[in-house]
Amino acid sequence: QLQLQESGPGLVKPSETLSLTCSVSGDSITSSSYSWGWIRQPPGKGLEWIGSLSYSGSTSYNPSLKSRLTISLDTATNQFSLKLISVSAADTAVYYCARREEEVAGTIDHWGQGTLVTVSS
Amino acid sequence: SFELTQPPSVSVSPGQTARISCSGDNLSDKYACWYQQKPGQSPLLVIYQNGKRPSGIPERFSGSNSGNTATLTISGTQAVDDADYYCQAWDFSTAIFGGGTKLTVL
Repeated sequence: QLQLQESGPGLVKPSETLSLTCSVSGDSITSSSYSWGWIRQPPGKGLEWIGSLSYSGSTSYNPSLKSRLTISLDTATNQFSLKLISVSAADTAVYYCARREEEVAGTIDHWGQGTLVTVSS
Repeated sequence: SFELTQPPSVSVSPGQTARISCSGDNLSDKYACWYQQKPGQSPLLVIYQNGKRPSGIPERFSGSNSGNTATLTISGTQAVDDADYYCQAWDFSTAIFGGGTKLTVL
């Protein structure tokens, strides 16, 4: 049974870097059928795609975040991570990690439980 | 840029059929999927590739996609279906989400 679990600081200061990790169990991040990504949801608002990365190197980034964004995979620990630089209050949100199917329609089929990150001094 | 538009709210009586629309330019050229989100929970995939149901999703959930509109239909709506619903499609390599619809079962 696939499980994804986000971890990282819940509070980040403005202009600093937001760093989160997603631990994957029940599947390998080296699978050729899937990519691994992030979605966020500001409090009380809708969902926003951040980006994804597959083991083969296929990437998908939200154009509005691309210049501040790094997504990477760690095959040794079966984890993937998100780094978002130069954050502001607008980056305050619940951050979800997720698995995306790569072979047909790109369906985001499994989500982590989410972690709230607040940007504040 | 590509956008998906959903009604902010839909109300339905228990046992009746709820329909939630999602509109976007030539949406039928893309695959649409739907997520259910209850308060404090992560989104749950309920429909993918326009009309397919993941394992474990009740048969009362169905979907269609034609022209500029995708529709999520919940037949025989139950109280447990009270939730926010989001449609999603891909615009090139970016996932686009609708703004969400609050389904109230009353």
